[in-house]
Amino acid sequence: SQKIEQNSEALNIQEGKTATLTCNYTNYSPAYLQWYRQDPGRGPVFLLLIRENEKEKRKERLKVTFDTTLKQSLFHITASQPADSATYLCALGGGGNKLTFGTGTQLKVEL
Amino acid sequence: GAVVSQHPSRVICKSGTSVKIECRSLDFQATTMFWYRQFPKQSLMLMATSNEGSKATYEQGVEKDKFLINHASLTLSTLTVTSAHPEDSSFYICSATDGPFFGSGTRLTVV
Repeated sequence: SQKIEQNSEALNIQEGKTATLTCNYTNYSPAYLQWYRQDPGRGPVFLLLIRENEKEKRKERLKVTFDTTLKQSLFHITASQPADSATYLCALGGGGNKLTFGTGTQLKVEL
Repeated sequence: GAVVSQHPSRVICKSGTSVKIECRSLDFQATTMFWYRQFPKQSLMLMATSNEGSKATYEQGVEKDKFLINHASLTLSTLTVTSAHPEDSSFYICSATDGPFFGSGTRLTVV
């Protein structure tokens, strides 16, 4: 069955450092992969989309890589700030715009 | 970007009653909307796909008679939880096509 794995434990880093979050998947060939930010009690907020034929995507302090051979995506936040503290979700997409989400990784950026 | 409005943000209801949740696309027409459910510390799970003018498509294991979906216009989809029970307490989130835009979610508590 399809499986998406994200770091289940919270990731704590110091302000100014680069946070790297991992999304691994099995039994899936997604056409694209998305990363979302979710704050407590709120819906997900879209951050970045990367397609299967793209290796890397950047947006301001965010960078996403997508390795379809390893079946893995890495999500980087450079120069992290306390305001970046949230849960980050990866989601895989295919036909029909249906998304399958990972469980998310909680990021805490400390002063 | 596109805006999806979800209402109410929180609702508490008595066991056995029904609750309606609304999802509106504010600045675009959405022929398809998606309803998700998220339990604490878990992933968003797709419940059903709402199609304007036709019947919703439910995911395996989701009771269509319990979770009634109506998509009567291109800007509004509703989810009604009928005869709610405490185990239906969860965070319900909608999303619209034309991009990965989500509502802010509805916290349902059944007492």
